[in-house]
This record gives sequence, C-alpha cells and structure tokens, in this order.
Amino acid sequence: ETGVTQSPTHLIKTRGQQVTLRCSSQSGHNTVSWYQQALGQGPQFIFQYYREEENGRGNFPPRFSGLQFPNYSSELNVNALELDDSALYLCASSLAGPGDTQYFGPGTRLTVL
Amino acid sequence: RKEVEQDPGPFNVPEGATVAFNCTYSNSASQSFFWYRQDCRKEPKLLMSVYSSGNEDGRFTAQLNRASQYISLLIRDSKLSDSATYLCVVNIPSGTYKYIFGTGTRLKVLA
Repeated sequence: ETGVTQSPTHLIKTRGQQVTLRCSSQSGHNTVSWYQQALGQGPQFIFQYYREEENGRGNFPPRFSGLQFPNYSSELNVNALELDDSALYLCASSLAGPGDTQYFGPGTRLTVL
Repeated sequence: RKEVEQDPGPFNVPEGATVAFNCTYSNSASQSFFWYRQDCRKEPKLLMSVYSSGNEDGRFTAQLNRASQYISLLIRDSKLSDSATYLCVVNIPSGTYKYIFGTGTRLKVLA
C-alpha cells in the first residue's frame, strides 16, 4: 500500500451542491496533487500543493479549489457541482518535492445527480 | 494533438504471450516518464519509471526514445494477473512538475 488515504470512498451529491474531499499523504510527503478521472479516461491534473502553497494548476475552473495543511494533508473543494463533475478523484503525494515520483490514494468516487 | 497518446486497445493476448505498448508524447521538455498500472475502479499504481538507458524489472521492460518522443513497455510471459489498464505518464516541468497521463491501454490476458 502507498500509505495515502482518501475520504470518503464514495459520495453522491446533486447538481449545484458543494463537496469537500480529503487526502492524507504518506508521512513526510510535502507535495500533493489532485486528479480527476472520468470513466474511460486517464487522470487529469487539477492542481498541486507544495508546502501549503498552490504550485500549479490544470485546466479546471475556479470552482475547484484546494488547501494543504501543515501536516501535509489536503482538501479538494468543488462548488456548484455539475453533472460532468462525476468522476473518480485521486490524490497523489510525493516525498521530495513536485518532481518526485507520485503515489496515489484509492480515490473518492463522486456521483452528481 | 494530445500531449500523451496511447492506443486504448483492448489487447487480448493468451497467457505466455509477449505484448508491447507504445506511447508518444508531444512536449520535448518532458523530464521523467513512468508506466502505471490501474485495475478496474482502483487507483493507479507505479509499475516502473522509464530511463533513457532502458530498464527492466522481471518480465517488464521499459524503453525511452527521446529523439522520437515515445516510450514503450514490453511484457514477457504474460500472466492472467497482468490484465489491467496500463497508463503512460509524462512529467512536464510547466510552472510546476505535473503528471500528464495517457488514456491508458487495456490489456486482457486470456487463459
């Protein structure tokens, strides 16, 4: 196991609602990245946090936001949910900064009705 | 053009067969390369990093061709347990280092 955990494992929301997903990195891993994986697609980069600062962002609208805490755990927040937000949300942590190998958590499967 | 392209498959091969996957990438500034394996409805798991000199891990061999901008994965003596989706990943230093994934290649090893 990678030591990266995510909660919840599954979530059902309705359109327009807000959701918070959580990720706990491996001990000492200072970088966390979030990805969205739609069915049949590869994961798409949402953003990355390094030492509590956003360190890069993919092509996702501002209603996708995040936080990284001093213990390097992280949250992904999505506001005004849309049907297309239904996906597997993955977080990945790395030990030695943004360029290091990433290890993935089990993901949160979000369904928006 | 997609930044990372893979043949989605599926590749259906008999047990014991050798199978090869290719992946092309468009950004010549790409710095590191990986193959991840993803089982159905599970998270991606690192299979192997890919080095310029090529590298081997048991039945798996990865190669990188920077000039032609492609990477490959060779699986020898396929096992039923190799059935999965194989994701090609490129790490691009664009502001930060971000992983760009291909869509994955599905492999099904048949008894």
